[in-house]
Amino acid sequence: GAVVSQHPSWVICKSGTSVKIECRSLDFQATTMFWYRQFPKQSLMLMATSNEGSKATYEQGVEKDKFLINHASLTLSTLTVTSAHPEDSSFYICSATGTESYNEQFFGPGTRLTVL
Amino acid sequence: GQQLNQSPQSMFIQEGEDVSMNCTSSSIFNTWLWYKQDPGEGPVLLIALYKAGELTSNGRLTAQFGITRKDSFLNISASIPSDVGIYFCAGTNDYKLSFGAGTTVTVRA
Repeated sequence: GAVVSQHPSWVICKSGTSVKIECRSLDFQATTMFWYRQFPKQSLMLMATSNEGSKATYEQGVEKDKFLINHASLTLSTLTVTSAHPEDSSFYICSATGTESYNEQFFGPGTRLTVL
Repeated sequence: GQQLNQSPQSMFIQEGEDVSMNCTSSSIFNTWLWYKQDPGEGPVLLIALYKAGELTSNGRLTAQFGITRKDSFLNISASIPSDVGIYFCAGTNDYKLSFGAGTTVTVRA
C-alpha cells in the first residue's frame, strides 16, 4: 500500500518552455501532497504543500507564478514549471499523506528535469 | 522545515557489519521517520516512530525515538550490498517534514 507515482520520470526541454509533472497516489486518497526539489548530494527542499481543492501554500523563496501547482482530486497533483530555464534543472519529488497516514509521507520516484 | 543534525555524513562498511546513524534536533518532534533513497529514486519510508522511547524494528533495521523527543537513531544489522544508499531522518509535529542532511552508506563486498 501507499504507492505514489510520478510522470514523467525524466524530461528534457528547451529554455522558455513549460513542463508539467504529475503526481498520483495509486492506492490511497491523498489529502495533502507535497512538492520537493533536490539538488545533487543534498537533502530535500520543500517547495509547496497542497490540499485537494485548495490553493497551494508555497515555501519562502519559491515563486508561485513560476511553479504552478494544481491538486484537483484526492489522487492527483500537478506541478508545472513555467518558462523553464537551465537553473530550474533539478530532481523534483512529490509526496503524499492520507487520512490514515498520521504524519508519514510517501514519496514518488522523482522526475529529473533538464532544461537546455 | 529546520535542518536536523544527522551523522555521520558518510560511511564505508564491510558487508556483514552493523551500521548506526543518528539525528538530533534542538526542537521536540512528535514523529520521527527514517527514509532510504537510492540514486535517481524517491525516498522510501523505512520506519516511523510515534512515541518517545519507542524502539521499532523492520527486518534488519532498528530505530529508536529518543526519550527527550529531540533525537533518533537507526541501526542496520549485518549489512548487505543492497543497503547502499542515502539514509535520511525526518522529524515532524504536523505535516511538514524537517530533514537531516543524509548519511551515505557504501558497502564493501
